[in-house]
Amino acid sequence: QQPVQSPQAVILREGEDAVINCSSSKALYSVHWYRQKHGEAPVFLMILLKGGEQKGHEKISASFNEKKQQSSLYLTASQLSYSGTYFCGTEMNTGNQFYFGTGTSLTVIP
Amino acid sequence: KAGVTQTPRYLIKTRGQQVTLSCSPISGHRSVSWYQQTPGQGLQFLFEYFSETQRNKGNFPGRFSGRQFSNSRSEMNVSTLELGDSALYLCASSLAVLGGSYEQYFGPGTRLTVT
Repeated sequence: QQPVQSPQAVILREGEDAVINCSSSKALYSVHWYRQKHGEAPVFLMILLKGGEQKGHEKISASFNEKKQQSSLYLTASQLSYSGTYFCGTEMNTGNQFYFGTGTSLTVIP
Repeated sequence: KAGVTQTPRYLIKTRGQQVTLSCSPISGHRSVSWYQQTPGQGLQFLFEYFSETQRNKGNFPGRFSGRQFSNSRSEMNVSTLELGDSALYLCASSLAVLGGSYEQYFGPGTRLTVT
């Protein structure tokens, strides 16, 4: 039931774009995205709900394909500050089940 | 507004001992969730408490338990510690129940080392 994230790791140069994917085998009600910098606590980025509602930071964009139970996080014109590990958290349609993926390590280099 | 606080920040215990970790949520938040984080395993959900009731529990043995007080502060307890319990334990608070349209705010974590 833990969602699968891909890629596991990615290295970008400043200004490049990246897409991080999150897939579940179960029907989802919501997908949450967080970023964790080394030695720090995870920080909220975005929530996507079944039905299309989204909530999050203006500079972050993401999508939620309800039919495929997949979500993607889009990082455009990457900056050094984007480096960290990105986690998706998924809430099942049945409720009361919330799981985080194993994370995607993103490194932005000058 | 003060963030989520966790105490202690670091802890070293020996196998067989028990440990209690504490979490104070953001004022007004009623949901507290606990996670175990180890390299390669990501964030493993332990349990969620809402209004002093355990609402949800992850796939962890009964040695892991928790509770929430009327002021929403939460504690988690691990009994009969094993080497594999060494991890960063994070708690997160939320305005309402975990999931839906409510984001979580994480504390800095407690680093537990079992020797």
